[in-house]
Amino acid sequence: KQEVTQIPAALSVPEGENLVLNCSFTDSAIYNLQWFRQDPGKGLTSLLLIQSSQREQTSGRLNASLDKSSGRSTLYIAASQPGDSATYLCAVSSTGGFKTIFGAGTRLFVKA
Amino acid sequence: GAVVSQHPSRVICKSGTSVKIECRSLDFQATTMFWYRQFPKKSLMLMATSNEGSKATYEQGVEKDKFLINHASLTLSTLTVTSAHPEDSSFYICSARTRLAGGYNEQFFGPGTRLTVL
Repeated sequence: KQEVTQIPAALSVPEGENLVLNCSFTDSAIYNLQWFRQDPGKGLTSLLLIQSSQREQTSGRLNASLDKSSGRSTLYIAASQPGDSATYLCAVSSTGGFKTIFGAGTRLFVKA
Repeated sequence: GAVVSQHPSRVICKSGTSVKIECRSLDFQATTMFWYRQFPKKSLMLMATSNEGSKATYEQGVEKDKFLINHASLTLSTLTVTSAHPEDSSFYICSARTRLAGGYNEQFFGPGTRLTVL
């Protein structure tokens, strides 16, 4: 059974810092991995999607990497801004049934 | 891009009533739709997987008689919370899976429905 863990659970940083959010998963037979952002009381915003054959994806100040063999992904946020404050969720989709399992998230607070 | 809508976005109901939530893929046909539940300050929990024209597959611990899922077409799935109780209050999110150009499958998520049962 796939389990997804995110570390840290919460993070508070001053504006401008570069930061790394971590995601690990137990079953390496994945189809893809996706990072989402969720603002309080809102739905999900897809940030980056990495297919199992890819090693990283980049969008603006965000970079996500995937190491399938070790069951790890990282989300790198460069030059953090207060507007980045949100919960970041890592989600892993399995092969076959394409079930998606979410991590518990990392709550990020960027101080101005 | 691919858009998934949910209706209603917010609903308040009395205990004992049933509530139906719709999930629609607006510009694509979804081979599979998924329903998730999110408790306050918790992550999303997969409730069930539904394929058009067949019965939904429920995750362990999810009561299929309480959470009725109907996937009537390739663009519409509904979740009905029957005889709702306050503990059913939650944020419900659906997603729809489709095959993109290039052969990759991708899920697109709806905006969610916040259910409050009084």
